[in-house]
Amino acid sequence: DGGITQSPKYLFRKEGQNVTLSCEQNLNHDAMYWYRQDPGQGLRLIYYSQIVNDFQKGDIAEGYSVSREKKESFPLTVTSAQKNPTAFYLCATRRDGKSGNTIYFGEGSWLTVV
Amino acid sequence: QQPVQSPQAVILREGEDAVINCSSSKALYSVHWYRQKHGEAPVFLMILLKGGEQMRHEKISASFNEKKQQSSLYLTASQLSYSGTYFCGTVETQGGSEKLVFGKGTKLTVNP
Repeated sequence: DGGITQSPKYLFRKEGQNVTLSCEQNLNHDAMYWYRQDPGQGLRLIYYSQIVNDFQKGDIAEGYSVSREKKESFPLTVTSAQKNPTAFYLCATRRDGKSGNTIYFGEGSWLTVV
Repeated sequence: QQPVQSPQAVILREGEDAVINCSSSKALYSVHWYRQKHGEAPVFLMILLKGGEQMRHEKISASFNEKKQQSSLYLTASQLSYSGTYFCGTVETQGGSEKLVFGKGTKLTVNP
């Protein structure tokens, strides 16, 4: 099936540890995004990538890192420098079309720092 | 800059109507609308383009006023399944890259 796969669905991390969230897509979309969601805060952009080997910081990039070595993959690493990492993380891709560009989301990953 | 949504929350009885507004301080070329159920990913509803027609998804429609830099989502004869948080998103381009910036959302609750 075509789609966006995020893993793991739930993750617990100890303070001071880095953790990597996986995002894989087989939609053949060029652009990929990482958003963070906290209660009442909406969706905030962490990083985005227009094409392979290229990515830009979003509004809340501090404490996060990404790579884009393959078109299909856009992993997000939450480093120990991120002071409040407990949140719902959403990966997305963008489909470009004549009727406008559409963002599609994966199922999300819940990260809890214990 | 993040678009502003209003109201923050709406409570309806099944069959009632509601309007959700989204406004931006920047010129808008398109507005995206999404609905999110609790604990799930947002789902795309529709996109409105500058100069385009009013769009519709089931009994949900939306308009886009370019001059006022705002969009409105109209939920007619609401159903229980309409409950969720609605987000509008506006497109920003930076250095040739395009990103979608979302409002904080409007929580809609439809009761029987």
